[in-house]
Amino acid sequence: GIQVEQSPPDLILQEGANSTLRCNFSDSVNNLQWFHQNPWGQLINLFYIPSGTKQNGRLSATTVATERYSLLYISSSQTTDSGVYFCAVPDSNYQLIWGAGTKLIIKP
Amino acid sequence: DAMVIQNPRYQVTQFGKPVTLSCSQTLNHNVMYWYQQKSSQAPKLLFHYYDKDFNNEADTPDNFQSRRPNTSFCFLDIRSPGLGDAAMYLCATSREPQLAGFVAGSYEQYFGPGTRLTVT
Repeated sequence: GIQVEQSPPDLILQEGANSTLRCNFSDSVNNLQWFHQNPWGQLINLFYIPSGTKQNGRLSATTVATERYSLLYISSSQTTDSGVYFCAVPDSNYQLIWGAGTKLIIKP
Repeated sequence: DAMVIQNPRYQVTQFGKPVTLSCSQTLNHNVMYWYQQKSSQAPKLLFHYYDKDFNNEADTPDNFQSRRPNTSFCFLDIRSPGLGDAAMYLCATSREPQLAGFVAGSYEQYFGPGTRLTVT
């Protein structure tokens, strides 16, 4: 089945810094989602991005499907950006295959 | 705003005492999912409904059951909770077309806020 790897596993930054999170996947996919799980456990959809680039405020994402990776960029980090960032891609039969996540801590 | 709602947000139950978690959605999506998430791990799919068709993951314990009485609501029943069932339970929805040759799971899943279950 599809393997999904995220890097780095942990990231600690000062407020205002920029960061890039990476998601590699082992097979071609027709969907990729990025999620942010806040410290209270809520899972928030960030991007649905099978290919190309999307931007939403300080966040943007790029998926290069032919090379089997996606990048999530966070600019001018704020403490509210802290949490775990997951990427997930579908296997057959509705199963989302999740990466292990990147735990991001933004220090004030 | 259209959304996925889960109640309660926090649930405490006793070991072995049945508990029901609920999920409702105003998105009119035809697919609803239940996930279990334990600390520091990615969510794990328990089962999903494609319309009224129930699909159980092979490794989902029999202790977990689900009901979907209509498009908007879906329930997770834990018949005899054990300490190992303490977790965050997440409900999600998606709209999947019914097309020949369509690859399932291709569409965006929207998650509710989750119910954190504690077993004492």
